[in-house]
Amino acid sequence: EVQLVESGGGLVQPGGSLRLSCEGSGFDFKNYALGWVRQAPGKGLEWVSSVPYSAVNTYYADSVKGRFTISRDNSKNTLFLQLSSLRVDDTAVYYCAKGHSEGGGYWFDSWGQGSLVTVSS
Amino acid sequence: DIQMTQSPSTLSASVGDRVTMTCRASQSISNWLAWYQQKPGKAPKLLMYQASTLAIGVPSRFSGSGSGTEFTLTISSLQPDDFATYYCQQYNSFWTFGPGTKVEIK
Repeated sequence: EVQLVESGGGLVQPGGSLRLSCEGSGFDFKNYALGWVRQAPGKGLEWVSSVPYSAVNTYYADSVKGRFTISRDNSKNTLFLQLSSLRVDDTAVYYCAKGHSEGGGYWFDSWGQGSLVTVSS
Repeated sequence: DIQMTQSPSTLSASVGDRVTMTCRASQSISNWLAWYQQKPGKAPKLLMYQASTLAIGVPSRFSGSGSGTEFTLTISSLQPDDFATYYCQQYNSFWTFGPGTKVEIK
């Protein structure tokens, strides 16, 4: 069974930093793209960032570009998201998701339970 | 950037009803579209990918259609477990979610 378990969320002041982690199990971690999707309280889903299995390229939503950094450690089956220069509107539940492709682009076929990041003074 | 819209934003229906919701892309995305179901306090669940392919374990009462810029998700006979919010997502160019359609009890 695929499992994705996020950790690292919490309360942080505006301008602060936080690192989210997502540990994967039940699949061959190094062979799959991964991503982060967030959901502000009472709002819809927003794609944040993605990294292919090779990690050669990384992709970011305009709203986080230059402030967030995605990375992965395939030896530890772990995905990371470094959040910096945090703003109040970054407050959200952050989901880690596993990508799947059958040729062409990839969608997210498994999701973690989410990690809440609250940015407030 | 590709923008996604969904209609209606809220859909009131009864158990047993056939329901259809629409997702539109601001430019052609071929069939690079996924649908997700989300219940309050839970992570999204993949329902469908490539516009019309059911994910593993998803009941056959769910079906998807469309290509290009217009897509639909249909539930042939609404069940109590189906009351949730449904999101479409394009993965033709990066990833963009629609704003969601909430299916509520009439």
